[in-house]
Amino acid sequence: DAGVTQSPTHLIKTRGQQVTLRCSPKSGHDTVSWYQQALGQGPQFIFQYYEEEERQRGNFPDRFSGHQFPNYSSELNVNALLLGDSALYLCASSLPIILNNEQFFGPGTRLTVL
Amino acid sequence: GENVEQHPSTLSVQEGDSAVIKCTYSDSASNYFPWYKQELGKGPQLIIDIRSNVGEKKDQRIAVTLNKTAKHFSLHITETQPEDSAVYFCAASPRGFDSWGKLQFGAGTQVVVTP
Repeated sequence: DAGVTQSPTHLIKTRGQQVTLRCSPKSGHDTVSWYQQALGQGPQFIFQYYEEEERQRGNFPDRFSGHQFPNYSSELNVNALLLGDSALYLCASSLPIILNNEQFFGPGTRLTVL
Repeated sequence: GENVEQHPSTLSVQEGDSAVIKCTYSDSASNYFPWYKQELGKGPQLIIDIRSNVGEKKDQRIAVTLNKTAKHFSLHITETQPEDSAVYFCAASPRGFDSWGKLQFGAGTQVVVTP
């Protein structure tokens, strides 16, 4: 049983560009959350998707957007990249949050903005 | 919103000794407290969690305690082994309609177990 998978593993972009990161949840999970982890810090909640809708959002600007597909996979899009967007982007999947809070993380995508 | 503080930031222990990491939270509505272990180059791995209706939970060498009145919870690792070396994160999650599953993480504790 595959766990949470993310692609790509690493990505290098320049300021002002746009990036799309992808996540496939653990089998049986239908809720996907995205987190940003800066170097040496704990993960920060970006947003959460359930039933193809954004259900919750953290303190991130509108440059950060997402999507969830009917097969529960998800994308994170970041527009107009800034140097400060350099971080490890983590995807976590779970059963419907109302049933169970356990979130399982993928390996992350390391984004470097030059 | 929720704020989670974690300490110490680094912890060095001899193999076989115990390690204790402490966290405090601010939102009394928080009712779910997971602990994650993150090894270099990997995503966080859930190692144990506790809910607000339980005061203590154990899983082999790992235990977590929760004091709701004081709003703090702790991770205890006994008989530490070199493979326990990693960064450990505590987190808290409230159970309100508009905040389900929104984990608030601490800053992490780098644990180094020396043989």
